Amino acid sequence: EVQLVESGGGLVQPGGSLRLSCVASGFTVSSNYMSWVRQAPGKGLEWVSLIYSGGSTYYADSVKGRFTISRDSSKNTLYLQMNSLRTEDTAVYYCGGTSSLDYWGQGTLVTVSS
Amino acid sequence: EIVLTQSPDFQSVTPKEKVTITCRASQSIGNSLHWYQQKPDQSPKLLIKYASQSFSGVPSRFSGSGSGTDFTLTINSLETEDAATYYCHQSGSLPETFGQGTKVEIK
Repeated sequence: EVQLVESGGGLVQPGGSLRLSCVASGFTVSSNYMSWVRQAPGKGLEWVSLIYSGGSTYYADSVKGRFTISRDSSKNTLYLQMNSLRTEDTAVYYCGGTSSLDYWGQGTLVTVSS
Repeated sequence: EIVLTQSPDFQSVTPKEKVTITCRASQSIGNSLHWYQQKPDQSPKLLIKYASQSFSGVPSRFSGSGSGTDFTLTINSLETEDAATYYCHQSGSLPETFGQGTKVEIK
């Protein structure tokens, strides 16, 4: 059974940083297309970033230059380093596996507020 | 950026009724269109991948069709447990994008 478990969310002030983690079991992160998707409170889904199995990375314009996606194959873990956080980054962040997002984690809440 | 427009935004339906949700892309995306169901306080769940492929474990009353710019999710014989918000998502062009969602309520 595939499981994705996110962690690392919390309350942070504007301009601060957080690193989200997504640990996978039953699924190999480094062999798959992995994404981060977020959902602001009461709003719809927004694609944030992806990393291909080959290592290429892509970002939404809203986070480009501030967020970095990466992975550690030894820990079978996906990361999202978030810097220069803004209030509009407040959301539940989900990691997803495969190009069609076959698998989702339970999400981790990031709140950016002073 | 490819814009995905879902219709309707909201639908109130009686059990056993058929539900049709459409997703229109602003440019052709081939068949790289996927559908998800999200219930309150839960993660989204994949229903249909690549326009028409059913995902493992999804009830057969859910089906998808379309290609290019026009796609449809059909729920045959709606059940009360199908009350949720449904989203389409395209992975055919970067940046990937989602539709705004369609909320299905049970009358």
